[in-house]
Amino acid sequence: QVQLVQSGAEVKKPGASVKVSCKASGYTFTSYDINWVRQATGQGLEWMGRMNPNSGNTGYAQKFQGRVTMTRNTSINTAYMELSSLRSEDTAVYYCARGSYGQSWYYWGQGTLVTVSS
Amino acid sequence: EIVLTQSPGTLSLSPGERATLSCRASQSVSSSYLAWYQQKPGQAPRLLIDGESSRATGIPDRFSGSGSGTDFTLTISRLEPEDFAVYYCQQYGSSPLTFGGGTKVEIK
Repeated sequence: QVQLVQSGAEVKKPGASVKVSCKASGYTFTSYDINWVRQATGQGLEWMGRMNPNSGNTGYAQKFQGRVTMTRNTSINTAYMELSSLRSEDTAVYYCARGSYGQSWYYWGQGTLVTVSS
Repeated sequence: EIVLTQSPGTLSLSPGERATLSCRASQSVSSSYLAWYQQKPGQAPRLLIDGESSRATGIPDRFSGSGSGTDFTLTISRLEPEDFAVYYCQQYGSSPLTFGGGTKVEIK
């Protein structure tokens, strides 16, 4: 069965970077894009960007341009999202979800809480 | 960017009642690439309805989606206790992908 398993919770200081992983199983990793979405406590869902695991091509939301980097390691079927220059407003649960252009997202990771605090 | 506006913000209903949730887009959503998700506290969103108003695998038929262009509706015909949650619409046909602000369906 398809699964997306994310790395554990992180606590970071302002100005630091965080790298969250999303390990895929149960399907051909390179066949579907991986999207990243975040959700601050009590707030809605915010799309950060997507990555094509086959080509490595990425597309980022303008808000995160210059601060986010999405990469992958196809040998271990894992996608990564790195967010730099963290500030307190980046405290949120970060989700990965499978879905290429024109596809809705049936499969989601369990979420990773990133807390930014001095 | 396509802005999605969901209404109402909160819907207070009793089990067995009908719920009607609205999602309005600032511009036409291409090819009905409009999905609905349900989210419960501490859980990832769950896909309910996707393009062409199709129910996702395992979603009961009390959930239905309709609409096109800029106006979309999620209907829950008879609320079950497990349906009290937050619901989001999402357009996935135009970058950046965007979500509505959510509608909370709470027990009256």
